[in-house]
Amino acid sequence: EPEVTQTPSHQVTQMGQEVILRCVPISNHLYFYWYRQILGQKVEFLVSFYNNEISEKSEIFDDQFSVERPDGSNFTLKIRSTKLEDSAMYFCASSFGGVNRQYFGPGTRLTVL
Amino acid sequence: AQTVTQSQPEMSVQEAETVTLSCTYDTSESDYYLFWYKQPPSRQMILVIRQEAYKQQNATENRFSVNFQKAAKSFSLKISDSQLGDAAMYFCAYRGTDSGGGADGLTFGKGTHLIIQP
Repeated sequence: EPEVTQTPSHQVTQMGQEVILRCVPISNHLYFYWYRQILGQKVEFLVSFYNNEISEKSEIFDDQFSVERPDGSNFTLKIRSTKLEDSAMYFCASSFGGVNRQYFGPGTRLTVL
Repeated sequence: AQTVTQSQPEMSVQEAETVTLSCTYDTSESDYYLFWYKQPPSRQMILVIRQEAYKQQNATENRFSVNFQKAAKSFSLKISDSQLGDAAMYFCAYRGTDSGGGADGLTFGKGTHLIIQP
């Protein structure tokens, strides 16, 4: 089965630093998503991306966050100035769109110190 | 806004027995999709089963089946012949239908921690 990949698997950063989380969606997929899961809590939708622009975003996705598809394969989530409460697991997902399922990557664990 | 509620923080079952995990949701949409995801300790999100709301027939995938009650907005997961490898967090999720493009994010419940007793 095709897979979504994410790098790094674990990122440790200092509060106030910028981080970029990387994802490689499944190659023929058209929709890309980021989700967040704070330890012990539910998975929360952040943003969806289609045709090189944001399609939908949640209240969590404020000005600290941005997404980009810098080339034909990568999809990135940038957090400009990390806060302690940004510590979480971040999942990337992709979908062909329409009624098709979203495939999740293995996640990046972000630890903000 | 849609909400998904899982009222069982933790469930325990003996190996080889059957367990049912509950999920209810709230929506004003008539067409939508429901999912059960499994999250083992590795924290990978693994799709277990999905149900289209317009289909009356309950979805099944091997030992996993759902009881979808649209009028009651209930979507429970039944695991038959429980195995040690089934131990994980289970999340119920909802996805609405936008213009049909696929931009909608999933709305998740808080999860149920399933313990399998050997």
